[in-house]
Amino acid sequence: EVQLVETGGGLIQPGGSLRLSCAASGFPVNSNYMTWVRQAPGKGLEWVSLIYSSGITYYADSVKGRFTISRDNSKNTLYLQMNSLRGEDTAVYYCARGPKVGNWFDPWGQGTLVTVSS
Amino acid sequence: SYVLTQPPSVSVAPGKTASITCGGDNIGRKSVHWYQQRPGQAPVLVIYSDGDRPSGIPERFSGSNSGNTATLTISRVEDGDESDYYCQVWDIASDHWVFGGGTKLTVL
Repeated sequence: EVQLVETGGGLIQPGGSLRLSCAASGFPVNSNYMTWVRQAPGKGLEWVSLIYSSGITYYADSVKGRFTISRDNSKNTLYLQMNSLRGEDTAVYYCARGPKVGNWFDPWGQGTLVTVSS
Repeated sequence: SYVLTQPPSVSVAPGKTASITCGGDNIGRKSVHWYQQRPGQAPVLVIYSDGDRPSGIPERFSGSNSGNTATLTISRVEDGDESDYYCQVWDIASDHWVFGGGTKLTVL
């Protein structure tokens, strides 16, 4: 069974850093593209970042230069390193898998909450 | 950047048909995907590539896409369909993945 489990969320002060992890099971994390999507409290979904199986990465304009997506194939885990955090980064962060061909996301993890506040 | 526009809310009586639209410039030329998100839960893919259903999704869910509007149609609506629904596309011009603002489906 394909499963994704996010960890690493919590309360962090503005300007701080946090690293989110997404442990994958049931498939190799480097065999598909993987993505991070976030959802601010009471708001809609916002795409954050994506990494292709080739290693090529993409970022939303709102996080470019501050966030870094990566993966550790030996641990079968996806990461999101978040630096220079702002209040507007407060959200539930979901990881999700893309298909080998196509551009949808399935399945999704349960999400981890990041709260940026002093 | 590419923008997807959804109505904030749609209401439907049980057993009737709900239609949720997703507007975008020439969206008919793109592949549209739809997600269902129940309160407090992660999104679930219900339609991909305009009108295909993942395994486990009821046949009551269908999709279409033409011109400037894509539509998610839910037939014989049930109480359990009450959720937020999001459309999504990949914008090749920006290499960004884009979500609509979401539509809250209320079953009366």
